[in-house]
Amino acid sequence: SQQGEEDPQALSIQEGENATMNCSYKTSINNLQWYRQNSGRGLVHLILIRSNEREKHSGRLRVTLDTSKKSSSLLITASRAADTASYFCATGKIDYKLSFGAGTTVTVRA
Amino acid sequence: DTAVSQTPKYLVTQMGNDKSIKCEQNLGHDTMYWYKQDSKKFLKIMFSYNNKELIINETVPNRFSPKSPDKAHLNLHINSLELGDSAVYFCASSQAQGVSGYTFGSGTRLTVV
Repeated sequence: SQQGEEDPQALSIQEGENATMNCSYKTSINNLQWYRQNSGRGLVHLILIRSNEREKHSGRLRVTLDTSKKSSSLLITASRAADTASYFCATGKIDYKLSFGAGTTVTVRA
Repeated sequence: DTAVSQTPKYLVTQMGNDKSIKCEQNLGHDTMYWYKQDSKKFLKIMFSYNNKELIINETVPNRFSPKSPDKAHLNLHINSLELGDSAVYFCASSQAQGVSGYTFGSGTRLTVV
């Protein structure tokens, strides 16, 4: 069954604004990852955060993880048109099996 | 140059046919995967292979048969295609579990008519 669920399903923001999306999961995990998928393309790995970490940064991306609430958030600061994509969280509990949510579709308006 | 390459990119075929999708990675990764993405963008794992050995087989109909001739290749053969098999199939690879992310191919859009 699906492990992670993203919220909201869709998000529309103005260029320059910040975008925040959340991911909730059901069982304990070893790590949580965020991926981006541009329309018609494969997924691109953004950030991996381990279960003993609380926050990670990569450029304009900030990921938090709260294992007590079984939730994570992805913040994209100063969004650009090129950030228009679907964003997926994926949880790793069992080796060799990453479980994905259904994604948040982000549209950045110029 | 492409890290994970899949062929073909598009596949249109009739119900009942047999088809194959090929995947190759040049990253030296030990583990390869097949994922299926449905029309609602939900991604579901199908198979995981580590060093050519099947590790995960996620209740996929046995019409789907993966084959890994070496750790750089993981092909997917589908027998007796059904309408419900229409989806985008992604191949991916990874190195160390829980340390690095997956590298995905660009996908194969399979349409069964």
